[in-house]
Amino acid sequence: GQNIDQPTEMTATEGAIVQINCTYQTSGFNGLFWYQQHAGEAPTFLSYNVLDGLEEKGRFSSFLSRSKGYSYLLLKELQMKDSASYLCAVRTGFQKLVFGTGTRLLVSP
Amino acid sequence: DSGVTQTPKHLITATGQRVTLRCSPRSGDLSVYWYQQSLDQGLQFLIQYYNGEERAKGNILERFSAQQFPDLHSELNLSSLELGDSALYFCASSPRSLAGGPGELFFGEGSRLTVL
Repeated sequence: GQNIDQPTEMTATEGAIVQINCTYQTSGFNGLFWYQQHAGEAPTFLSYNVLDGLEEKGRFSSFLSRSKGYSYLLLKELQMKDSASYLCAVRTGFQKLVFGTGTRLLVSP
Repeated sequence: DSGVTQTPKHLITATGQRVTLRCSPRSGDLSVYWYQQSLDQGLQFLIQYYNGEERAKGNILERFSAQQFPDLHSELNLSSLELGDSALYFCASSPRSLAGGPGELFFGEGSRLTVL
């Protein structure tokens, strides 16, 4: 079976740093994705990890440890517009993505 | 704008009815995916097509069916609708190969289905 776990909700303050964790147990692994989804909108691609380590992209970084089945998304210098759901997804086969239920992040002033 | 087009954006219908959701993938993308997102639920994978052929099936009900046409657009047919089918239905497309990048999915804006 496929199991991807994320915290349901997190809160943080504007300008702060927040780390959103994701653990996974899947039959097959061919990369891990993070997507951002604002309420009622389409998910948009944020980052991709296939090898262990940290990938940095501006204010966002994503980390992967395949041996631990663990990833995190790090958001720095939080802005109000970062209030959204963050979806962790594992590619288990030929371009097949399995999504976690997402973490709703609320950024307050 | 992801380049993936979904119609209709909103649809209200009654239980027992049948609806068809349509998706046009990004130009050049051969893979089309359908996902269902209910309130407070994650994206549930329904089905994937690649160049007209069904490639993978997820938790798709027997009342639901899909197909991908020669021009690569796809349709998701939902029949004998129930209240619990109310959800946001997303279509996504993906490039043919991974050579140009991680092969991420590009999502359409979704079709919001309300069953009364």
